[in-house]
Amino acid sequence: DGGITQSPKYLFRKEGQNVTLSCEQNLNHDAMYWYRQDPGQGLRLIYYSQIVNDFQKGDIAEGYSVSREKKESFPLTVTSAQKNPTAFYLCATVGSPERNTGELFFGEGSRLTVL
Amino acid sequence: AQSVAQPEDQVNVAEGNPLTVKCTYSVSGNPYLFWYVQYPNRGLQFLLKYITGDNLVKGSYGFEAEFNKSQTSFHLKKPSALVSDSALYFCAVRAPRRGNKLVFGAGTILRVKS
Repeated sequence: DGGITQSPKYLFRKEGQNVTLSCEQNLNHDAMYWYRQDPGQGLRLIYYSQIVNDFQKGDIAEGYSVSREKKESFPLTVTSAQKNPTAFYLCATVGSPERNTGELFFGEGSRLTVL
Repeated sequence: AQSVAQPEDQVNVAEGNPLTVKCTYSVSGNPYLFWYVQYPNRGLQFLLKYITGDNLVKGSYGFEAEFNKSQTSFHLKKPSALVSDSALYFCAVRAPRRGNKLVFGAGTILRVKS
């Protein structure tokens, strides 16, 4: 099946630990995005990448890092510097020809809880 | 800067009645507008979009939305609500020539009661 796979679905972390959330896609899409969702705040953009080996900060990049070594993969690391990391994290993609007009395709999300 | 407002945190509708979920936007130039739906602990699913052309856009699951440029609105509608429509709905806007960033509203919970 074509789609976006996020793992793990649920993750628990102790304070001070870094964690990495995986996002893999087989849609052959160039652009990939990471969003954070908190209740009542909608989705906020963390990082995005429009092409391999390139990425840009979104609106709330502090305390997060990403890499884009392969077209299929866009992992997100939540570092210990992120002050309030408990949230639902969503990965999304869109194809290059439709970067402006096309809808985003979303993974099923990863819920991170800091204990 | 582009922004989206969903003025209602929650909308309650009886099954079989028409529903409206409101969205207004602010963007420079002509907007690209989207509606998504989210079920608990799931990713977002695309419903419909307005890029250009007919102001009434039809989408998945019987939903439609009307683009109103003068009122800068893009309200989501359905003639007859189903209990299974109960979910969280997001409106989003992308401004052409401002990169590919999609800005989302805060979301509206739709509850359809039987």
